[in-house]
Amino acid sequence: DARVTQTPRHKVTEMGQEVTMRCQPILGHNTVFWYRQTMMQGLELLAYFRNRAPLDDSGMPKDRFSAEMPDATLATLKIQPSEPRDSAVYFCASGLDGGALETQYFGPGTRLLVL
Amino acid sequence: DAKTTQPPSMDCAEGRAANLPCNHSTISGNEYVYWYRQIHSQGPQYIIHGLKNNETNEMASLIITEDRKSSTLILPHATLRDTAVYYCIVRASGQAGTALIFGKGTTLSVSS
Repeated sequence: DARVTQTPRHKVTEMGQEVTMRCQPILGHNTVFWYRQTMMQGLELLAYFRNRAPLDDSGMPKDRFSAEMPDATLATLKIQPSEPRDSAVYFCASGLDGGALETQYFGPGTRLLVL
Repeated sequence: DAKTTQPPSMDCAEGRAANLPCNHSTISGNEYVYWYRQIHSQGPQYIIHGLKNNETNEMASLIITEDRKSSTLILPHATLRDTAVYYCIVRASGQAGTALIFGKGTTLSVSS
């Protein structure tokens, strides 16, 4: 059963520290999405990639957030420096561009708490 | 911004059908209606999607009105495990690589 995996599942850090979240998309998928979820804002898109190229990162605070895909099996989301307002659940999703169902499959999320 | 309107919450008795409505009055001809759900503490999960014909799969049925301005997701025999937030999303065909725009969804509570 193919799944999107995310690490770490939980992260507690102090303000100012760097946070790196990792995502392994489903093998063969060529689109990757990063979403953030908070109680106040709900699910928000941060960035997404197609064939490892960034298509849209307008949802990310550029001064502190960065998203990359070093290779087809790994996507990373970094926050440096982290702030308390970054506390949220970060979801990664992957999909297959042009696939019959055109659906996105979500990982379990990384729960981030910045103190 | 989300292009859909959903009631914030609904209740359903276990074993009964849950009918979740969604309004999408500004939907374009090439836009599909997608339904996802999010069970507490998990990532969103795809349920079903359709263009204009009614659709059914192992999870649910999707009924789309003839004018396509609204749709209903039907869980035929709701169980306690169907308690979740249900999101109705519209997205154009051929845009598989585009992101989903989530609204606030409908919180469905299934009780015994």
